[in-house]
Amino acid sequence: DAGVIQSPRHEVTEMGQEVTLRCKPISGHNSLFWYRQTMMRGLELLIYFNNNVPIDDSGMPEDRFSAKMPNASFSTLKIQPSEPRDSAVYFCASSPQLYTQYFGPGTRLTVL
Amino acid sequence: LAKTTQPISMDSYEGQEVNITCSHNNIATNDYITWYQQFPSQGPRFIIQGYKTKVTNEVASLFIPADRKSSTLSLPRVSLSDTAVYYCLVGPFKAAGNKLTFGGGTRVLVKP
Repeated sequence: DAGVIQSPRHEVTEMGQEVTLRCKPISGHNSLFWYRQTMMRGLELLIYFNNNVPIDDSGMPEDRFSAKMPNASFSTLKIQPSEPRDSAVYFCASSPQLYTQYFGPGTRLTVL
Repeated sequence: LAKTTQPISMDSYEGQEVNITCSHNNIATNDYITWYQQFPSQGPRFIIQGYKTKVTNEVASLFIPADRKSSTLSLPRVSLSDTAVYYCLVGPFKAAGNKLTFGGGTRVLVKP
């Protein structure tokens, strides 16, 4: 079975540009999570969805970040405009309503 | 969610047993203890979960004393490929959205 799929795997952009990260969760999983990981702050939960509905976005750093889940098989995390401090690895994870989450390979974002 | 405390790092040698203890003094009655493993450049991966006493799978064992205020992850006969960061998490099973809070983790280095 395919795991969580994220694209792109690497993204390099310039400050001020819009960045869109994509995630395809494991089929049948009801919950989807977006995390950000940096050396300084570790692994932070940004937002999570349950049955395609955003449940908690308290981790979203500011209005420049937005996330959508238009259907059960797709989610996006958008940063507009991007800033150098947004450079990090962004992980998407999905869960079948249990306490186990399955993480994707991550997207390494570099904002110059 | 219960706060967890675990060592920042541990060194070991191939073939040895590694034991990582996590403290969670304010664990709630309906909380489970879950451990994740993260290799460099990968997303975290579920290892094991338990509620009390002992749980064992093909990867590790989890020991939980009667008061449940701590737990110990045991990795038998580690190899170089077990070098990773290990996270201890505590939270309610099947919580709404199954929100996880990752701490700093324990960086395990296995030496030849």
